[in-house]
Amino acid sequence: DQQVKQNSPSLSVQEGRISILNCDYTNSMFDYFLWYKKYPAEGPTFLISISSIKDKNEDGRFTVFLNKSAKHLSLHIVPSQPGDSAVYFCAASGYGGSQGNLIFGKGTKLSVKP
Amino acid sequence: DTGVSQDPRHKITKRGQNVTFRCDPISEHNRLYWYRQTLGQGPEFLTYFQNEAQLEKSRLLSDRFSAERPKGSFSTLEIQRTEQGDSAMYLCASSQVGASEDEQYFGPGTRLTVT
Repeated sequence: DQQVKQNSPSLSVQEGRISILNCDYTNSMFDYFLWYKKYPAEGPTFLISISSIKDKNEDGRFTVFLNKSAKHLSLHIVPSQPGDSAVYFCAASGYGGSQGNLIFGKGTKLSVKP
Repeated sequence: DTGVSQDPRHKITKRGQNVTFRCDPISEHNRLYWYRQTLGQGPEFLTYFQNEAQLEKSRLLSDRFSAERPKGSFSTLEIQRTEQGDSAMYLCASSQVGASEDEQYFGPGTRLTVT
């Protein structure tokens, strides 16, 4: 049973436009959410996070939105750049991080076309 | 400090052999995690340490797997009697207890191929 779901395996966007990556979760005990970016042959790189007490967090071109009632979060990238092409993973943790482990989705491959 | 490092980056072994991987975390981080990633999946948690104490193990960590962090710095992950199903990317991550402790920083991974 997948607790973190990324239902779109891939997304293609034109350079300069907005990329929206979606993530759904089922466990209401999750209280911290993260997005990671992964290039081939590299480990995941931390991108942005959000605590469950917030509904939005912004860092430069990247904004994460959290809708707790819908158990849904999204990552917006504006404007998208070719260098953003990578696999994006949504991850969640619970119990204020005391459990230690992150639960990851399967990832969405983003392609930004020049 | 340049981040989390893992060694080796690639390992090819024959079924039944033992393999050991090493992870060096970011120096000031006291938490260290091991994950496994297979094709088309996200990373799956295996185990984690806080300092030298192993605090949690996933049910994915069969008795053929053992992890250590003897001095609270680097860690090793050993797989005994490897099977073809063990072929995967093994990722190590670290974090600092306290502020933003959920933000785990990953190494480049060790890709294991069992033939």
